[in-house]
Amino acid sequence: SQELEQSPQSLIVQEGKNLTINCTSSKTLYGLYWYKQKYGEGLIFLMMLQKGGEEKSHEKITAKLDEKKQQSSLHITASQPSHAGIYLCGATTSYKLTFGKGTLLTVNP
Amino acid sequence: NAGVTQTPKFQVLKTGQSMTLQCAQDMNHNSMYWYRQDPGMGLRLIYYSASEGTTDKGEVPNGYNVSRLNKREFSLRLESAAPSQTSVYFCASSEFRGLSNTGELFFGEGSRLTVL
Repeated sequence: SQELEQSPQSLIVQEGKNLTINCTSSKTLYGLYWYKQKYGEGLIFLMMLQKGGEEKSHEKITAKLDEKKQQSSLHITASQPSHAGIYLCGATTSYKLTFGKGTLLTVNP
Repeated sequence: NAGVTQTPKFQVLKTGQSMTLQCAQDMNHNSMYWYRQDPGMGLRLIYYSASEGTTDKGEVPNGYNVSRLNKREFSLRLESAAPSQTSVYFCASSEFRGLSNTGELFFGEGSRLTVL
């Protein structure tokens, strides 16, 4: 089965700093999703990557999928308190989406 | 649009009691999913329904049953609740696009279940 390893498990940054969250798969990724979750709420879709080398950006968040399609990174530039939450990567396998354990991001003002 | 609606939002049960979590989506999606979220464990898939009329086990199906009532509704039943089933449950739906592409999942707001 697909296993996704996220690192770090938690991250505390000062507002304005850049940060990166990684997601590594034990198998080739055919569809890699990034979601964000605020405490006590549902998940919000951020981006989806499919092709090796693909990179997508939305506002100050950039996600990349490596050429071998086994690792993805999520980079936040000039972090803000609104970026705080849990970030989860998910991968599609056989009709379903499985997730990593998540990265808890805290942004201190 | 309401998107994905789950009920109830909160529930407290005693060990051995049964209950059903209801989920409905109004986006005409083919696929629906039930996940549970526990601290340090991320989201784990309980059951999913790739299309109306089909259901399949996910990573942690033991102790649960599901029913895909129609295209809109997908319910999760706990027949005899156990403290280990204390969790936050999320329902999701997506427009299935192929074997390796579930499409973006849209999530409900979650149902917080406590089993005493």
